[in-house]
Amino acid sequence: NAGVTQTPKFRVLKTGQSMTLLCAQDMNHEYMYWYRQDPGMGLRLIHYSVGEGTTAKGEVPDGYNVSRLKKQNFLLGLESAAPSQTSVYFCASSPGRGRPWGETQYFGPGTRLLVL
Amino acid sequence: EDQVTQSPEALRLQEGESSSLNCSYTVSGLRGLFWYRQDPGKGPEFLFTLYSAGEEKEKERLKATLTKKESFLHITAPKPEDSATYLCAVINTGTASKLTFGTGTRLQVTL
Repeated sequence: NAGVTQTPKFRVLKTGQSMTLLCAQDMNHEYMYWYRQDPGMGLRLIHYSVGEGTTAKGEVPDGYNVSRLKKQNFLLGLESAAPSQTSVYFCASSPGRGRPWGETQYFGPGTRLLVL
Repeated sequence: EDQVTQSPEALRLQEGESSSLNCSYTVSGLRGLFWYRQDPGKGPEFLFTLYSAGEEKEKERLKATLTKKESFLHITAPKPEDSATYLCAVINTGTASKLTFGTGTRLQVTL
Protein backbone atom coordinates (compact mmCIF):
# COMPACT_ATOMS: atom_id res chain seq x y z
CA ASN A 1 0.00 0.00 0.00
CA ALA A 2 1.22 3.46 -0.89
CA GLY A 3 -0.85 5.01 1.92
CA VAL A 4 -1.51 8.70 1.29
CA THR A 5 0.11 10.29 -1.76
CA GLN A 6 0.14 13.93 -2.83
CA THR A 7 0.91 15.62 -6.14
CA PRO A 8 2.73 17.78 -6.92
CA LYS A 9 5.57 17.78 -4.39
CA PHE A 10 6.54 21.38 -5.08
CA ARG A 11 5.02 24.24 -7.05
CA VAL A 12 5.72 27.91 -7.65
CA LEU A 13 2.77 30.14 -8.57
CA LYS A 14 2.38 33.77 -9.41
CA THR A 15 -0.20 35.83 -7.56
CA GLY A 16 -3.62 35.31 -9.13
CA GLN A 17 -2.86 31.96 -10.73
CA SER A 18 -4.92 28.90 -9.92
CA MET A 19 -3.96 25.34 -9.19
CA THR A 20 -5.26 22.06 -7.82
CA LEU A 21 -3.50 19.82 -5.33
CA LEU A 22 -4.35 16.14 -5.51
CA CYS A 23 -4.49 13.73 -2.60
CA ALA A 24 -5.04 10.00 -3.04
CA GLN A 25 -5.34 7.22 -0.46
CA ASP A 26 -5.49 3.47 -0.99
CA MET A 27 -6.59 2.46 2.53
CA ASN A 28 -10.35 2.68 1.89
CA HIS A 29 -10.63 5.44 4.49
CA GLU A 30 -13.89 7.34 4.83
CA TYR A 31 -12.50 10.64 6.14
CA MET A 32 -9.99 12.90 4.41
CA TYR A 33 -8.46 16.23 5.43
CA TRP A 34 -6.39 19.11 4.10
CA TYR A 35 -4.04 20.99 6.45
CA ARG A 36 -1.53 23.77 6.02
CA GLN A 37 1.63 24.04 8.10
CA ASP A 38 3.35 27.36 8.69
CA PRO A 39 6.33 28.14 10.96
CA GLY A 40 5.20 28.79 14.53
CA MET A 41 1.54 28.09 13.70
CA GLY A 42 1.32 24.34 13.76
CA LEU A 43 -0.93 22.36 11.46
CA ARG A 44 -4.26 24.02 10.73
CA LEU A 45 -7.27 22.35 9.15
CA ILE A 46 -8.46 23.88 5.87
CA HIS A 47 -11.29 21.57 4.76
CA TYR A 48 -12.28 18.02 5.43
CA SER A 49 -14.61 15.31 4.14
CA VAL A 50 -16.45 12.58 6.03
CA GLY A 51 -17.37 10.63 2.92
CA GLU A 52 -17.57 10.62 -0.85
CA GLY A 53 -19.46 13.65 -2.11
CA THR A 54 -19.26 15.53 1.21
CA THR A 55 -17.03 18.42 2.28
CA ALA A 56 -16.92 20.81 5.22
CA LYS A 57 -14.96 23.86 6.31
CA GLY A 58 -12.15 23.67 8.81
CA GLU A 59 -10.33 26.39 10.71
CA VAL A 60 -8.86 28.33 7.76
CA PRO A 61 -11.03 27.69 4.66
CA ASP A 62 -10.94 31.13 2.99
CA GLY A 63 -9.34 31.15 -0.47
CA TYR A 64 -9.62 27.37 -0.90
CA ASN A 65 -12.16 24.98 -2.36
CA VAL A 66 -12.30 21.20 -2.22
CA SER A 67 -14.01 18.30 -3.91
CA ARG A 68 -14.37 14.62 -3.11
CA LEU A 69 -15.93 13.01 -6.15
CA LYS A 70 -14.30 9.64 -5.49
CA LYS A 71 -13.73 8.05 -2.09
CA GLN A 72 -10.01 7.69 -2.65
CA ASN A 73 -9.33 11.24 -3.87
CA PHE A 74 -9.55 14.66 -2.22
CA LEU A 75 -8.73 17.74 -4.27
CA LEU A 76 -7.73 21.14 -2.90
CA GLY A 77 -8.12 24.12 -5.22
CA LEU A 78 -6.73 27.62 -5.10
CA GLU A 79 -8.74 29.81 -7.47
CA SER A 80 -6.58 32.94 -7.21
CA ALA A 81 -3.35 32.34 -5.33
CA ALA A 82 -2.05 34.94 -2.87
CA PRO A 83 1.38 35.20 -1.21
CA SER A 84 -0.33 34.43 2.14
CA GLN A 85 -1.04 30.95 0.77
CA THR A 86 2.66 30.14 0.62
CA SER A 87 2.85 27.13 2.88
CA VAL A 88 3.30 23.39 3.11
CA TYR A 89 0.07 21.52 2.50
CA PHE A 90 -0.63 18.12 3.98
CA CYS A 91 -3.39 15.71 3.20
CA ALA A 92 -4.49 13.09 5.70
CA SER A 93 -7.03 10.30 5.91
CA SER A 94 -8.64 8.26 8.67
CA PRO A 95 -10.92 5.24 8.76
CA GLY A 96 -13.78 7.27 10.27
CA ARG A 97 -15.83 7.15 13.47
CA GLY A 98 -17.25 3.81 14.41
CA ARG A 99 -14.35 1.93 12.92
CA PRO A 100 -11.41 0.43 14.82
CA TRP A 101 -8.81 3.16 15.33
CA GLY A 102 -11.27 5.25 13.36
CA GLU A 103 -9.87 8.64 14.29
CA THR A 104 -6.17 8.02 13.74
CA GLN A 105 -5.10 10.21 10.85
CA TYR A 106 -2.39 9.18 8.40
CA PHE A 107 -0.56 11.92 6.55
CA GLY A 108 0.88 12.30 3.09
CA PRO A 109 4.37 13.66 2.34
CA GLY A 110 3.23 17.22 1.69
CA THR A 111 3.18 19.77 -1.12
CA ARG A 112 5.37 22.83 -0.84
CA LEU A 113 3.73 25.85 -2.46
CA LEU A 114 5.42 29.18 -3.08
CA VAL A 115 3.27 32.07 -4.28
CA LEU A 116 5.22 35.02 -5.66
CA GLU B 1 -12.09 26.46 21.64
CA ASP B 2 -9.66 23.56 21.93
CA GLN B 3 -6.07 24.48 22.72
CA VAL B 4 -2.84 22.48 22.77
CA THR B 5 0.42 23.82 24.15
CA GLN B 6 3.69 21.95 23.85
CA SER B 7 6.87 22.56 25.80
CA PRO B 8 9.70 23.04 25.44
CA GLU B 9 9.80 24.43 21.90
CA ALA B 10 13.21 22.88 21.39
CA LEU B 11 15.25 20.35 23.31
CA ARG B 12 18.81 19.23 22.81
CA LEU B 13 19.90 15.97 24.45
CA GLN B 14 23.02 13.91 24.41
CA GLU B 15 22.70 10.30 23.36
CA GLY B 16 21.47 8.29 26.34
CA GLU B 17 20.16 11.34 28.23
CA SER B 18 16.50 10.63 29.04
CA SER B 19 13.90 13.41 29.15
CA SER B 20 10.22 14.21 28.71
CA LEU B 21 8.19 16.38 26.38
CA ASN B 22 5.01 18.01 27.64
CA CYS B 23 1.65 18.54 25.96
CA SER B 24 -0.95 20.55 27.89
CA TYR B 25 -4.46 20.66 26.51
CA THR B 26 -7.78 22.40 27.03
CA VAL B 27 -10.76 20.68 25.48
CA SER B 28 -14.43 20.53 26.43
CA GLY B 29 -14.52 16.77 26.04
CA LEU B 30 -11.47 14.71 25.15
CA ARG B 31 -12.09 11.96 22.66
CA GLY B 32 -8.43 11.19 22.08
CA LEU B 33 -4.91 12.58 22.27
CA PHE B 34 -2.40 11.78 19.54
CA TRP B 35 1.37 11.93 19.26
CA TYR B 36 3.09 12.25 15.91
CA ARG B 37 6.72 12.42 14.82
CA GLN B 38 7.70 14.69 11.93
CA ASP B 39 11.06 14.58 10.18
CA PRO B 40 12.22 17.61 8.15
CA GLY B 41 10.52 17.79 4.78
CA LYS B 42 8.13 14.93 5.53
CA GLY B 43 4.59 14.44 6.74
CA PRO B 44 3.70 13.62 10.36
CA GLU B 45 4.05 9.96 11.25
CA PHE B 46 1.59 8.48 13.76
CA LEU B 47 3.05 7.26 17.05
CA PHE B 48 0.33 6.86 19.72
CA THR B 49 -3.29 7.43 20.60
CA LEU B 50 -4.36 7.85 24.23
CA TYR B 51 -8.03 7.87 25.19
CA SER B 52 -8.33 8.17 28.96
CA ALA B 53 -6.42 9.49 31.97
CA GLY B 54 -3.95 6.95 33.31
CA GLU B 55 -3.42 5.28 29.96
CA GLU B 56 0.14 4.59 28.81
CA LYS B 57 1.54 3.43 25.47
CA GLU B 58 5.09 2.38 24.62
CA LYS B 59 7.10 1.99 21.45
CA GLU B 60 10.81 1.29 21.56
CA ARG B 61 12.39 4.19 23.52
CA LEU B 62 9.16 6.21 23.66
CA LYS B 63 6.41 6.10 26.25
CA ALA B 64 3.34 8.32 26.22
CA THR B 65 1.21 8.99 29.28
CA LEU B 66 -2.03 10.90 29.78
CA THR B 67 -3.62 12.84 32.65
CA LYS B 68 -6.78 14.94 32.64
CA LYS B 69 -4.82 18.07 31.70
CA GLU B 70 -1.64 16.96 29.96
CA SER B 71 0.32 14.26 28.25
CA PHE B 72 3.99 13.42 28.45
CA LEU B 73 6.20 11.77 25.89
CA HIS B 74 9.08 10.16 27.75
CA ILE B 75 12.20 9.39 25.77
CA THR B 76 14.50 6.86 27.41
CA ALA B 77 18.16 6.67 26.37
CA PRO B 78 17.58 8.53 23.10
CA LYS B 79 19.63 7.95 19.98
CA PRO B 80 20.46 10.45 17.19
CA GLU B 81 17.78 8.84 15.00
CA ASP B 82 15.17 10.03 17.51
CA SER B 83 15.87 13.60 16.39
CA ALA B 84 12.65 15.03 14.95
CA THR B 85 9.77 17.33 15.78
CA TYR B 86 7.16 15.70 18.00
CA LEU B 87 3.59 16.90 17.58
CA CYS B 88 0.69 16.51 19.97
CA ALA B 89 -2.96 16.80 18.90
CA VAL B 90 -6.40 16.34 20.44
CA ILE B 91 -9.85 15.42 19.17
CA ASN B 92 -12.93 16.85 20.85
CA THR B 93 -15.91 14.58 21.40
CA GLY B 94 -18.06 16.79 19.20
CA THR B 95 -15.79 17.73 16.28
CA ALA B 96 -16.08 14.90 13.77
CA SER B 97 -12.50 13.68 14.06
CA LYS B 98 -10.90 17.09 13.56
CA LEU B 99 -7.46 17.29 15.14
CA THR B 100 -6.21 20.39 16.96
CA PHE B 101 -2.42 20.44 16.91
CA GLY B 102 0.22 21.98 19.11
CA THR B 103 3.22 23.67 17.51
CA GLY B 104 5.55 20.84 18.40
CA THR B 105 8.80 20.19 20.24
CA ARG B 106 11.92 20.06 18.10
CA LEU B 107 14.22 17.39 19.55
CA GLN B 108 17.88 17.09 18.68
CA VAL B 109 19.93 14.17 20.01
CA THR B 110 23.69 14.45 19.67
CA LEU B 111 26.48 11.91 20.09
